[in-house]
Amino acid sequence: DAGITQSPRHKVTETGTPVTLRCHQTENHRYMYWYRQDPGHGLRLIHYSYGVKDTDKGEVSDGYSVSRSKTEDFLLTLESATSSQTSVYFCAISAENYGYTFGSGTRLTVV
Amino acid sequence: GQQLNQSPQSMFIQEGEDVSMNCTSSSIFNTWLWYKQDPGEGPVLLIALYKAGELTSNGRLTAQFGITRKDSFLNISASIPSDVGIYFCAGQGDDKIIFGKGTRLHILP
Repeated sequence: DAGITQSPRHKVTETGTPVTLRCHQTENHRYMYWYRQDPGHGLRLIHYSYGVKDTDKGEVSDGYSVSRSKTEDFLLTLESATSSQTSVYFCAISAENYGYTFGSGTRLTVV
Repeated sequence: GQQLNQSPQSMFIQEGEDVSMNCTSSSIFNTWLWYKQDPGEGPVLLIALYKAGELTSNGRLTAQFGITRKDSFLNISASIPSDVGIYFCAGQGDDKIIFGKGTRLHILP
């Protein structure tokens, strides 16, 4: 296995509540990414990190924040979940400029 | 921003048939990647292409990096039931990877 795990695998939450998704890697890779996958849209980048405490926005970053206090962990937070954030969220890791390795995903439902 | 046009969006084929899908872009990429996603799982890298004109095989899969660096195709020969899934192309320039919207492959019994 590539050494990347996401938690939780499934979550149902209510509109307006905060939610944090966790991505953990054991590969010591520098780069970590959060994507969301929705029908008709493919994979869209939310935020990414290029090192501890170094993060940047992707194309769909509104409503999301991230933190990376350790190399191995990259957290995605929805400060106040909305129904439009119902999606499948994937974390990915990469070494320098090579193809990504993806986690198994977190299915989030906001009711 | 950069976009990839992946086609077809979905395919219905008979087991044993060959499959072809492609990606085009208005931007130039340094690397083309092809991923497959099984239901309930994350995408898994199938083939990576690093040079314009490069043709690479991985078992029954063959992919090519277009000469213009703006396109790539993936062929699957003699399809089998486990080929079912979503196939994504991805292009990488100097920075992040951009993904196509995927081709969903269905195999008819």
